[in-house]
Amino acid sequence: KQEVTQIPAALSVPEGENLVLNCSFTDSAIYNLQWFRQDPGKGLTSLLLIQSSQREQTSGRLNASLDKSSGRSTLYIAASQPGDSATYLCAVEWNRDDKIIFGKGTRLHILP
Amino acid sequence: EAQVTQNPRYLITVTGKKLTVTCSQNMNHEYMSWYRQDPGLGLRQIYYSMNVEVTDKGDVPEGYKVSRKEKRNFPLILESPSPNQTSLYFCASRGSGRYYEQYFGPGTRLTVT
Repeated sequence: KQEVTQIPAALSVPEGENLVLNCSFTDSAIYNLQWFRQDPGKGLTSLLLIQSSQREQTSGRLNASLDKSSGRSTLYIAASQPGDSATYLCAVEWNRDDKIIFGKGTRLHILP
Repeated sequence: EAQVTQNPRYLITVTGKKLTVTCSQNMNHEYMSWYRQDPGLGLRQIYYSMNVEVTDKGDVPEGYKVSRKEKRNFPLILESPSPNQTSLYFCASRGSGRYYEQYFGPGTRLTVT
């Protein structure tokens, strides 16, 4: 069964630190992986999408990497700010069908 | 402004009373999808549609129906809602091809008593 796991479920770090969020998935035959952020009581905002043929994508202070062979993706946030506090979700789409499966997210708290 | 809209944003209803949550997008996207989000269970896909008149089940389709008669609209229908369908529902869309990002609506909080 296709599954997406995000560990840890929650993370607190002091402002200014660099940090890494993890996403792992079963079955390496993926089509793409997308990272989102969700603020409390709000919808999802797309951060980065990595295609299966790509190794990483960058947007500002965010860098997402993909290692299909090990079934892992990481989201690197540089110089964290209190405004980065949110829940971060990864979503995976596999080759075999058009379903999209989300991890349960990592709740990030940046301490001022 | 490019967006996905959902209505209503909040709904309280009673068991068995049919309801429809509407979803509309103005980006000419082919792919549309419905998710529900529950504490401890995360986001789970209910149904998705690759294009007009093409719909498929996601991971949790039981108790729900969808239709895709127009490209821009993808309503979610609960024929006989039950309390276990109390949840936060999101609609999403993206362009054709899997290399496009999904865009999400603001969510509909549904309570079934």
